[in-house]
Amino acid sequence: ENVLTQSPGTLSLSPGERATLSCRASESVGRNFLAWYQQRSGQSPKLLIYRASSRATGIPDRFSGSGSGTDFTLTITRLEPEDFAVYYCQQYAYSPLTFGGGTKVEIK
Amino acid sequence: QEQLVESGGGVVQPGRSLRLSCSASGFIFSNYGMHWVRQAPGEGLEWVAVISTDGTVTYYGDSVKGRFTISRDNSENTLYLQMNNLRTEDSALYYCAKPYTADPISFLIEYWGPGTLVTVSS
Repeated sequence: ENVLTQSPGTLSLSPGERATLSCRASESVGRNFLAWYQQRSGQSPKLLIYRASSRATGIPDRFSGSGSGTDFTLTITRLEPEDFAVYYCQQYAYSPLTFGGGTKVEIK
Repeated sequence: QEQLVESGGGVVQPGRSLRLSCSASGFIFSNYGMHWVRQAPGEGLEWVAVISTDGTVTYYGDSVKGRFTISRDNSENTLYLQMNNLRTEDSALYYCAKPYTADPISFLIEYWGPGTLVTVSS
C-alpha cells in the first residue's frame, strides 16, 4: 500500500499567517490522485482539494494544493479562525485508499 | 440536500458481530459507489471498504478483509457494513461516505455522515 507521511505533526500559527503542510508518499501517486481534507474538532472531514490542486466546490481560494509524484503541499495563505483544524492527505489512485496521519494547525 | 445518517453502533464484546447501516437521502443513491471509513478515538482516518453502484464490486482495507462485508440495498437507499469477529482495535467512529462523482465505483470521497461509534470491549 502507498504510505503517506504528513509533516509537521503540529503547526502553531497566528490568524493571518501562512500555513504550509506537507504530504509525502512512499510510491508515486498515479495521475496525482491526491486529496486534502479538513477536520474541525467534533466534525466529519470535509473535502478541500482533489487531484493535487483542484479546489472542491465552495472552498475559498486561500486554500491551494500543489505537487506531483510523491511530494504534495497544501497551502493556506491567510489563516482564518475557522481554519484551525486537522488536515489529512489521501491517495485515491488505487485500493487500498490510504490517509496520512494528519497535521494539526493550532492557534499560537 | 444530501444527507447520510449512520446507525447500529454500540458496545460489543470481542469476537462478536455488529451490523452498521447508513441511510442516504438528497441524492440518487444508486448512482454512487459508497464507502465506509473509520476513525479510532483521537486517531487518524482509516479507509474500510467501498462498494460499486450495483453491489457487485467491493474492495476492503487489509485490516478488515475477511471479517467485514459491505453491501447495499438501492431500493431502500441504504448502505451496510457487516462486521464479524470484532477486535478491540476495531473500536472507532464509523463514517459512511459518498464520492465526488457518480461513477460505478469512485475512490474520491466528498461527503461524510456524522458517524456511528463502535466500541469493542469485554
